[in-house]
Amino acid sequence: GENVEQHPSTLSVQEGDSAVIKCTYSDSASNYFPWYKQELGKRPQLIIDIRSNVGEKKDQRIAVTLNKTAKHFSLHITETQPEDSAVYFCAASRNEKLTFGTGTRLTIIP
Amino acid sequence: EAEVAQSPRYKITEKSQAVAFWCDPISGHATLYWYRQILGQGPELLVQFQDESVVDDSQLPKDRFSAERLKGVDSTLKIQPAELGDSAMYLCASGVGNNSPLHFGNGTRLTVT
Repeated sequence: GENVEQHPSTLSVQEGDSAVIKCTYSDSASNYFPWYKQELGKRPQLIIDIRSNVGEKKDQRIAVTLNKTAKHFSLHITETQPEDSAVYFCAASRNEKLTFGTGTRLTIIP
Repeated sequence: EAEVAQSPRYKITEKSQAVAFWCDPISGHATLYWYRQILGQGPELLVQFQDESVVDDSQLPKDRFSAERLKGVDSTLKIQPAELGDSAMYLCASGVGNNSPLHFGNGTRLTVT
């Protein structure tokens, strides 16, 4: 089955700086890669996603890049704000089956 | 905005007891998933439905867990008997298929004592 690895497990950045979270996947047939943000005690919420026919996607301060050859994808958050503090999960999907990474706890330092 | 509904929000049960969780997906969503999330980890898929049919239950501990979606709408996940290691957040999610985004419910936090 699919295996998704996520790094780093924790990340602290100064407010205003950029944050980058990286994931690798094992199944070359995976074709959909969403990112979820989960605040303490709340549901995971989709923040951005990318499909395998696209190399990069951007939505305001958030961007995702995908390298199909290397089987890795990354989340980039620019101009970080205190409200960006949360746990972020990457995921890879094949045949509608979503496999999640282990999560990155992002802390924004004011 | 439509949401996935789950109940109960919290459940405390003693080991060896039976427990059940309920999920009502967003109207029109054909795919429904049950995930288990242990504190500090990512969600792990337990069972995946397409309408009323099970698509994948390979990670469901079938000796004690069961799931059904009889009319292809709402779903129930049952654990009998509960064990201490079952303590976790149980998340339900739904989608329209075709690798569309999944929408998660608020989950049921289960504590087994």
